[in-house]
Amino acid sequence: LAKTTQPISMDSYEGQEVNITCSHNNIATNDYITWYQQFPSQGPRFIIQGYKTKVTNEVASLFIPADRKSSTLSLPRVSLSDTAVYYCLVYNTDKLIFGTGTRLQVFP
Amino acid sequence: DVKVTQSSRYLVKRTGEKVFLECVQDMDHENMFWYRQDPGLGLRLIYFSYDVKMKEKGDIPEGYSVSREKKERFSLILESASTNQTSMYLCASSKWLGENTEAFFGQGTRLTVV
Repeated sequence: LAKTTQPISMDSYEGQEVNITCSHNNIATNDYITWYQQFPSQGPRFIIQGYKTKVTNEVASLFIPADRKSSTLSLPRVSLSDTAVYYCLVYNTDKLIFGTGTRLQVFP
Repeated sequence: DVKVTQSSRYLVKRTGEKVFLECVQDMDHENMFWYRQDPGLGLRLIYFSYDVKMKEKGDIPEGYSVSREKKERFSLILESASTNQTSMYLCASSKWLGENTEAFFGQGTRLTVV
């Protein structure tokens, strides 16, 4: 199972772009990269998933370099409501293992 | 909307009690998961199940057991509750894991063992 490493915390201001990078050096060929968001007192919710290159949806973009040993979640123009913990997961058909995540604090 | 429902939002139990945490999903998902979440430790997988009557240990199964008699229901059992099992417990379900699949979480059960 590929282990992931991400920063413990990040600070930003409203309107800025935030990039959170996750390292997964042991990612396997068939593994997918997925990001979840968790607000206080709630369960995590799915944000975005990718396999390679770039994926974009209405919430975020996910950049994955060719070697797939890392990935970057990009949140454009964050607002106060984006304050949350963000988890990077790598899996195939195996169990879902969450790490400690990155706590993003957005300031006005 | 997919719904994962945990039977209680808050629970207070005494040390040594047998505790049942129930989780029900309504989307016919194959996979179900139990996690606990503690400050600074993220979400840690206790047990998961990929089919009825099937179970697999996660990273911290000690002191817990699970039951999955029906596809929609996954129960976490604390055989003899201890104070170090005071935590937030989160249940999740998903279809088979792979491309374009996501896990859906319940609202969590905050268990306090006194």
